[in-house]
Amino acid sequence: AQSVTQPDIHITVSEGASLELRCNYSYGATPYLFWYVQSPGQGLQLLLKYFSGDTLVQGIKGFEAEFKRSQSSFNLRKPSVHWSDAAEYFCAVGHTGGFKTIFGAGTRLFVKA
Amino acid sequence: DTGVSQNPRHKITKRGQNVTFRCDPISEHNRLYWYRQTLGQGPEFLTYFQNEAQLEKSRLLSDRFSAERPKGSFSTLEIQRTEQGDSAMYLCASSFRQDEQFFGPGTRLTVL
Repeated sequence: AQSVTQPDIHITVSEGASLELRCNYSYGATPYLFWYVQSPGQGLQLLLKYFSGDTLVQGIKGFEAEFKRSQSSFNLRKPSVHWSDAAEYFCAVGHTGGFKTIFGAGTRLFVKA
Repeated sequence: DTGVSQNPRHKITKRGQNVTFRCDPISEHNRLYWYRQTLGQGPEFLTYFQNEAQLEKSRLLSDRFSAERPKGSFSTLEIQRTEQGDSAMYLCASSFRQDEQFFGPGTRLTVL
């Protein structure tokens, strides 16, 4: 069965520091992979997606993620965090040709001055 | 604004009452999804429409839940005889074919 694991419930980083949010998935074939961000009172916003091709994916707001098939991982990175990045981040896996998207439990990012 | 809209944004109801939520997808999107999100969790898939056809329902969707998408446009999600365990954020999303899903702001349901 498909599943997504985000090992870190919350992470605190200093403004200007680098960030890496971990995501591991379980899926029997090549998955569609997504990272979404959710700010309080806001809907989920897509940061980036991986369907195929280059395993390093660039997204919005300076985020990137790398698909590593051997590790079943799709970690999200940002070189320099801004205070406005404080939010909840969700990794998700979708089914090629399908419709259901499975979300991880999320990682809440806190940014300290 | 051409994004996904949901109404109402908040709903407080008493246990046993029926509630209905509405979702208006992005107009050219033929796929529509409902998810439920509880505190500290990611969204959980509830059901999916392609045009007006409901093609999949999660086991999470008990008999008290019903969803419709007449004419393949807006969708409604009804919960009958609400229970306190139904308290959650109900999210709607739409997509064009199997592209990424665009989410609405959600309807927060509180059952007293």
